[in-house]
Amino acid sequence: DGGITQSPKYLFRKEGQNVTLSCEQNLNHDAMYWYRQDPGQGLRLIYYSQIVNDFQKGDIAEGYSVSREKKESFPLTVTSAQKNPTAFYLCASRPGTGVNEQYFGPGTRLTVT
Amino acid sequence: GDSVTQMEGPVTLSEEAFLTINCTYTATGYPSLFWYVQYPGEGLQLLLKATKADDKGSNKGFEATYRKETTSFHLEKGSVQVSDSAVYFCALVILHTDKLIFGTGTRLQVFP
Repeated sequence: DGGITQSPKYLFRKEGQNVTLSCEQNLNHDAMYWYRQDPGQGLRLIYYSQIVNDFQKGDIAEGYSVSREKKESFPLTVTSAQKNPTAFYLCASRPGTGVNEQYFGPGTRLTVT
Repeated sequence: GDSVTQMEGPVTLSEEAFLTINCTYTATGYPSLFWYVQYPGEGLQLLLKATKADDKGSNKGFEATYRKETTSFHLEKGSVQVSDSAVYFCALVILHTDKLIFGTGTRLQVFP
């Protein structure tokens, strides 16, 4: 089955700890994205990557970091510098040039106390 | 800047009622337009899309027409089902950019 997997579905951390969220896709898509979703709000772009070993900041990159060492993987680290990390995090991918739509994973709900 | 505005929810309907969820946009370039659906606790699923003016996207009984003159992309369905209860997001992407811009979402609740 082709798709985007995010793990774990629920994640709990203590304040001050860094945490890494996994995103893997076996669709052979070129571009990958991380979004944050808060209750009653739309999605906000954190980081995106169009090719391996390259990524760009989105609208709310502060307190987050990413890497893109492999085409199929785009992990997101939520650092202790992120002031309000509790949220639902969504990973997405896009096939490549000429295709505008993005396809989403199931999401990871992060709770920091 | 580029933006998407959706009607506030929740939209509450009885089964088999007609659905309209309004979406308007502001864009500096030539956007492609999308509707995504999110079921509780899940990621977003692409519902339909339109890439140029007057295009009609359709899927699973839902449809939306790209209206450049009114900068709108309203979602419609002739007869909703309880299983359509979800949050619906309107979104756009500008040609040659790589950013999907979302509206705030509209929750649809369908009762038997």
